[in-house]
Amino acid sequence: AQSVTQLGSHVSVSEGALVLLRCNYSSSVPPYLFWYVQYPNQGLQLLLKYTTGATLVKGINGFEAEFKKSETSFHLTKPSAHMSDAAEYFCAVSQAGTALIFGKGTTLSVSS
Amino acid sequence: GAVVSQHPSWVICKSGTSVKIECRSLDFQATTMFWYRQFPKQSLMLMATSNEGSKATYEQGVEKDKFLINHASLTLSTLTVTSAHPEDSSFYICSAIDRGSKETQYFGPGTRLLVL
Repeated sequence: AQSVTQLGSHVSVSEGALVLLRCNYSSSVPPYLFWYVQYPNQGLQLLLKYTTGATLVKGINGFEAEFKKSETSFHLTKPSAHMSDAAEYFCAVSQAGTALIFGKGTTLSVSS
Repeated sequence: GAVVSQHPSWVICKSGTSVKIECRSLDFQATTMFWYRQFPKQSLMLMATSNEGSKATYEQGVEKDKFLINHASLTLSTLTVTSAHPEDSSFYICSAIDRGSKETQYFGPGTRLLVL
């Protein structure tokens, strides 16, 4: 069985500060890992994904995440937060062709 | 990029009526589609897996007679909420897997259902 734990349901940062959203996963097989962002009353937008290969994955809007197998982690980072980054972020795990298992989400707030 | 559409985006209905939600893959063929439900301030929960030409597979706790899923073609899956009640009010999101590449699911924009 697969599962995802997002540490911290709410993260607050100042504009220009580092963003770090934590995600740990559990999987008995090599996982596919994803980060999605959801703005209020909207659907999901894929930020980045890891399937195989390079463990440091770069996504859209300046976000990146690193797959660390030894730590079973896939934390999301962005060097400098922008006001427009305020949203709900979901980490998810799956295998090829299967449904995504989502974490509970982390609300990112950005203050000026 | 791959696009998935959902229709309608918003629906308000009276308790006891049925509502059909369509999920279409616009520029790719999807042998597998998934239906998720998201309650306010919560995460997405998988409801069912829809495979083209076969019966849907429902997650534990999801009533298959209440949430009817049909996947009649490689580009269309429908979810019908039968005899809807206020507790069925939620955000319903579908996703589709490109039959040519199974690594990524493409999500629809979601359908917000409000049952009065």
